[in-house]
Amino acid sequence: GQQLNQSPQSMFIQEGEDVSMNCTSSSIFNTWLWYKQDPGEGPVLLIALYKAGELTSNGRLTAQFGITRKDSFLNISASIPSDVGIYFCAGGNSGNTPLVFGKGTRLSVIA
Amino acid sequence: DTAVSQTPKYLVTQMGNDKSIKCEQNLGHDTMYWYKQDSKKFLKIMFSYNNKELIINETVPNRFSPKSPDKAHLNLHINSLELGDSAVYFCASSPMHVPDTQYFGPGTRLTVL
Repeated sequence: GQQLNQSPQSMFIQEGEDVSMNCTSSSIFNTWLWYKQDPGEGPVLLIALYKAGELTSNGRLTAQFGITRKDSFLNISASIPSDVGIYFCAGGNSGNTPLVFGKGTRLSVIA
Repeated sequence: DTAVSQTPKYLVTQMGNDKSIKCEQNLGHDTMYWYKQDSKKFLKIMFSYNNKELIINETVPNRFSPKSPDKAHLNLHINSLELGDSAVYFCASSPMHVPDTQYFGPGTRLTVL
């Protein structure tokens, strides 16, 4: 089945630093999504991307849908302690097949 | 509040028991899902329903039976619970026009002893 390679697996950064994480796939997706999961909670949708090349921001978060439709990245600028959590990418094909999730990037922010 | 809600939040039970988890969404979405998240945090789709009709069933043992009484509810019943069923189960929903944009519930942590 389809798989997503999400990297890095974990990151330790200082408060105020910028963060970058990405997802790659061997196959094409029509939709890329980024979620954040806090401990004991469900994944929360951060950004949804629907078009190749699309660059979308949500506050300090910016995500891009790769031109090849096989990758996406998420940047977080000026990290703060509440950015701590696990970030998941997911690829979709307009509901025709299940979403495929990456294995997550665990972000730790040192104050 | 508009959301996806699940009950219970925690469920601890003995091997061999039968249990149910309930999910409700008041977002007016057409499609609902059940996911299993293992101890390594990997999220795996189990089922999806569209307007009460099963559309995805991903290699899940038939001890797991989803039931959708209406399009706002998707319950998960598990028979003869096994140790390996211990995990966090998430319900999610998505609207018809952007079916990949899924919104998750808070999860149910199931522990089988």
